[in-house]
Amino acid sequence: DVKVTQSSRYLVKRTGEKVFLECVQDMDHENMFWYRQDPGLGLRLIYFSYDVKMKEKGDIPEGYSVSREKKERFSLILESASTNQTSMYLCASRGDREDSPLHFGNGTRLTVT
Amino acid sequence: GNSVTQMEGPVTLSEEAFLTINCTYTATGYPSLFWYVQYPGEGLQLLLKATKADDKGSNKGFEATYRKETTSFHLEKGSVQVSDSAVYFCALSDETSGGYQKVTFGTGTKLQVIP
Repeated sequence: DVKVTQSSRYLVKRTGEKVFLECVQDMDHENMFWYRQDPGLGLRLIYFSYDVKMKEKGDIPEGYSVSREKKERFSLILESASTNQTSMYLCASRGDREDSPLHFGNGTRLTVT
Repeated sequence: GNSVTQMEGPVTLSEEAFLTINCTYTATGYPSLFWYVQYPGEGLQLLLKATKADDKGSNKGFEATYRKETTSFHLEKGSVQVSDSAVYFCALSDETSGGYQKVTFGTGTKLQVIP
């Protein structure tokens, strides 16, 4: 069974802080993703990566960056946290086939005060 | 671009009632279609999928049929249980012009089943 682990379930940070959200998967998947989930908006893609050291912008990359130094680990970075980045953040990985499903972590609920 | 539209929630049903959650999509290619479920406090998990027209995905009593002519993938279950209370997301996966597989989600439908 694929396991995607996010390092924190809950985080509270102050405006302007640099925030790191960590995600690790154990299925040797090439593709990893960061989404944010907000009520009424569903899931929106922030960034994704299809290989080590590769990254692509999703639909809402502003205010975020990512790092993928190893295949199993994909980090989301909030360079200077703002209150509008308060949200649930979901990491996912998947295989290469079109019909490969996404495997999600349990999410990190980030509150920026 | 691609999009997924699913019915607004929340949906409240009594136990053993019939469930339908509507989902329609627009896509430029030939997408794979998915339903994901999110139980309280958890991430999303795959419920079922279908990869081509007229395919039926099924799991845990849930079913959905890929209808290309109506661009729909409605989720159904004959008899819901309290344990089915969750948020359900319809999604499609399609290849972008850059050659990547991109997944587009609907906004989710919250289902509450009461005893």
